[in-house]
Amino acid sequence: NAGVTQTPKFRILKIGQSMTLQCTQDMNHNYMYWYRQDPGMGLKLIYYSVGAGITDKGEVPNGYNVSRSTTEDFPLRLELAAPSQTSVYFCASSKTADTQYFGPGTRLTVL
Amino acid sequence: AQKVTQAQTEISVVEKEDVTLDCVYETRDTTYYLFWYKQPPSGELVFLIRRNSFDEQNEISGRYSWNFQKSTSSFNFTITASQVVDSAVYFCALRASNTGTASKLTFGTGTRLQVTL
Repeated sequence: NAGVTQTPKFRILKIGQSMTLQCTQDMNHNYMYWYRQDPGMGLKLIYYSVGAGITDKGEVPNGYNVSRSTTEDFPLRLELAAPSQTSVYFCASSKTADTQYFGPGTRLTVL
Repeated sequence: AQKVTQAQTEISVVEKEDVTLDCVYETRDTTYYLFWYKQPPSGELVFLIRRNSFDEQNEISGRYSWNFQKSTSSFNFTITASQVVDSAVYFCALRASNTGTASKLTFGTGTRLQVTL
């Protein structure tokens, strides 16, 4: 039981490039979330999903897109990377609107 | 709106000392949940505890204990006889019950705990 897995662990992007951060969970959780963590700050919610085919915006959705075609996967897409998107990205899942379990994070740098 | 304040940015203690991490929250909801997460130097977020607003009983788990006081809107975390392995950033988080269909967590900014020999 791997829990929540994220790939890649690290990535450096140039301004304007695009990429997808992958997130997979094997706990059959309906709820999934994407957060970003900036230095010295708590986590801020980017997008969340309550089930396959259903997604909604969090606090800081601008510059990101998500999709949820399966229960297990919740990829986060950056279309035009900007330096302001340099951050650590965490994916999380929960069975219901309950305790969230986090993946190991992806450290993204945009230069 | 929800808010979580962790006023202690960084705490340094010597091993075996007791240390308390403060968490003060704001919410207008009568039903809510409070969480503590640990983020060790490796970077992952580890769930420690969840407490709902109807349960003010203190919780103890080994060297960890939590003191929940609704009267002061606080949910403090104490580590007894701290160890070097306790060195991490600790986050307090809040979820109100009426956040729609999703469990939207509001995080504090974290307290970095450094335990030295």
